[in-house]
Amino acid sequence: QKEVEQDPGPLSVPEGAIVSLNCTYSNSAFQYFMWYRQYSRKGPELLMYTYSSGNKEDGRFTAQVDKSSKYISLFIRDSQPSDSATYLCAMTPSGGSYIPTFGRGTSLIVHP
Amino acid sequence: ETGVTQTPRHLVMGMTNKKSLKCEQHLGHNAMYWYKQSAKKPLELMFVYNFKEQTENNSVPSRFSPECPNSSHLFLHLHTLQPEDSALYLCASSPWGGLTQETQYFGPGTRLLVL
Repeated sequence: QKEVEQDPGPLSVPEGAIVSLNCTYSNSAFQYFMWYRQYSRKGPELLMYTYSSGNKEDGRFTAQVDKSSKYISLFIRDSQPSDSATYLCAMTPSGGSYIPTFGRGTSLIVHP
Repeated sequence: ETGVTQTPRHLVMGMTNKKSLKCEQHLGHNAMYWYKQSAKKPLELMFVYNFKEQTENNSVPSRFSPECPNSSHLFLHLHTLQPEDSALYLCASSPWGGLTQETQYFGPGTRLLVL
């Protein structure tokens, strides 16, 4: 079993839709959870991060962590064509090395 | 120049060639990383350097040879590569190399094709 599972997609939605991107993980030591966005021909850039469980909102983006289910989500409201990118989840434990373990990314296409 | 830069952006090489990838960070960070990104696979950590010292080698074949002359520059020397080494090679930097929770900043990558 991979440490972090993420459906590669592609996920295709119409403009204005609510998008849900998800990752599951197996290591219960993970405490920090991050979402990176990677546009075509660019490197990943940090979008949001959360610590432990709960929700965090930033504009149209909401990150949610359910540690009991080992499941994290990124919601995008009112999706725009400019949101079309690959979204990678990443996570680190609270101790030891903080170098993140990444999922393989979900390709999102928002069409006008 | 700002952030993390990588050159070249694209590289095509034969299996007998020798080439080098270059990364430079302008963020004042102390740690630099090489990652390999293949289609439909998670980012694979290859090497980590903290304060110019290699702190992690993730079982990478010896045909990949990293070099970190200072905290701002990182190279990946390539020789006798295989077609399966074709991928996007990403460089990243961070303030403290995973010693504390921190953000990694990525360059745009070098798209490598091995023929």
